[in-house]
Amino acid sequence: DSGVTQTPKHLITATGQRVTLRCSPRSGDLSVYWYQQSLDQGLQFLIQYYNGEERAKGNILERFSAQQFPDLHSELNLSSLELGDSALYFCASSVVGSTGLAGGGTDTQYFGPGTRLTVL
Amino acid sequence: ELKVEQNPLFLSMQEGKNYTIYCNYSTTSDRLYWYRQDPGKSLESLFVLLSNGAVKQEGRLMASLDTKARLSTLHITAAVHDLSATYFCAVDRRSRGDKIIFGKGTRLHILP
Repeated sequence: DSGVTQTPKHLITATGQRVTLRCSPRSGDLSVYWYQQSLDQGLQFLIQYYNGEERAKGNILERFSAQQFPDLHSELNLSSLELGDSALYFCASSVVGSTGLAGGGTDTQYFGPGTRLTVL
Repeated sequence: ELKVEQNPLFLSMQEGKNYTIYCNYSTTSDRLYWYRQDPGKSLESLFVLLSNGAVKQEGRLMASLDTKARLSTLHITAAVHDLSATYFCAVDRRSRGDKIIFGKGTRLHILP
């Protein structure tokens, strides 16, 4: 158990709908990351938040948005869903958030169990 | 655009043997990660490599980084069945305004 929790575990919805995925980081971790894993695209980094602020952006679509709240949990909102959005969505957390080497630390990320999203 | 290539993509090997997984990337990066994923499970961080010549070992796994060659290796020593999993490398360029890019993964099957 990594200490990172994600809800829900499974989500089935229809095209055009909107869903929200939730992530609670490990106690003490300030950074939250979102990843998508699908057969077509493989593993993709979507976005990182550090202590409530967006820190790095990856392949996140404009239809998707995320935020990190004051209690450090994060939500990933997916809207206007398409069939191709079906995937596993992982959240990860880490202590450090600096993207630079000067930030120090190894930025080890601890992953949650994931949310499996199926768009029908 | 940064490309990360892992090879081999599939590997079946006997217990007790040694083997190496390679991760090549196309441009300068800040960190390189190795992850393990068991079937139907999440990812587990194995190593974070920060600098040229970095070598880290954990049990039968050893990872190294050659930034000049833009190459990282994950070496498996005396493989055991429990190491069967998919291994991913990922290159981190966030400090350069870029992102984290994953390789396609190496599916490792160790025969008992």
